[in-house]
Amino acid sequence: GENVEQHPSTLSVQEGDSAVIKCTYSDSASNYFPWYKQELGKGPQLIIDIRSNVGEKKDQRIAVTLNKTAKHFSLHITETQPEDSAVYFCAASTGGFKTIFGAGTRLFVKA
Amino acid sequence: DAGITQSPRHKVTETGTPVTLRCHQTENHRYMYWYRQDPGHGLRLIHYSYGVKDTDKGEVSDGYSVSRSKTEDFLLTLESATSSQTSVYFCAISESHGVMNTEAFFGQGTRLTVV
Repeated sequence: GENVEQHPSTLSVQEGDSAVIKCTYSDSASNYFPWYKQELGKGPQLIIDIRSNVGEKKDQRIAVTLNKTAKHFSLHITETQPEDSAVYFCAASTGGFKTIFGAGTRLFVKA
Repeated sequence: DAGITQSPRHKVTETGTPVTLRCHQTENHRYMYWYRQDPGHGLRLIHYSYGVKDTDKGEVSDGYSVSRSKTEDFLLTLESATSSQTSVYFCAISESHGVMNTEAFFGQGTRLTVV
């Protein structure tokens, strides 16, 4: 069946460094790729998303890139801060009600 | 934050008992979802609703049922709880669906332990 693989499962960076999380998806019909951030004890919250007609999107320190040919998409966080520490989920959706989530990446930003 | 309230936030129950989790929204969004979150699996869809009395199964629906009698409330019932249903359950809502999905807003979760 369709799946989304997310790597790495854990990522530790020094404050100020960049962090990159990568996902691959299997369903070529996927056309919407959201990224969610989940802080301890809270529900996931959308931080950025990208649609299939766009290759890159940026919002301040966060950027997402999409390679539809390779079925890869990545989250880039620059100038990381301790408050960026959380679990990040990628997801791929074909529209309708089918959204497949990755297993999550736990990001630690060391001060 | 989107107006989504899940209740209870924590529950411990015994194997074989029925359990109902409630999701209440104040956003008047048409679409509501129940997910479970387990280590190594991310979020998996249990059931969803696309309107009052309109529901359908997700990828992990066995052992669960749902009901939506009002736009604002979506109930998840574990008919006979098993230890494999120990998990964190999230309700989510979204405004629209179609060819291009839109953002989903999540509640704060319910931690359910089945002993």
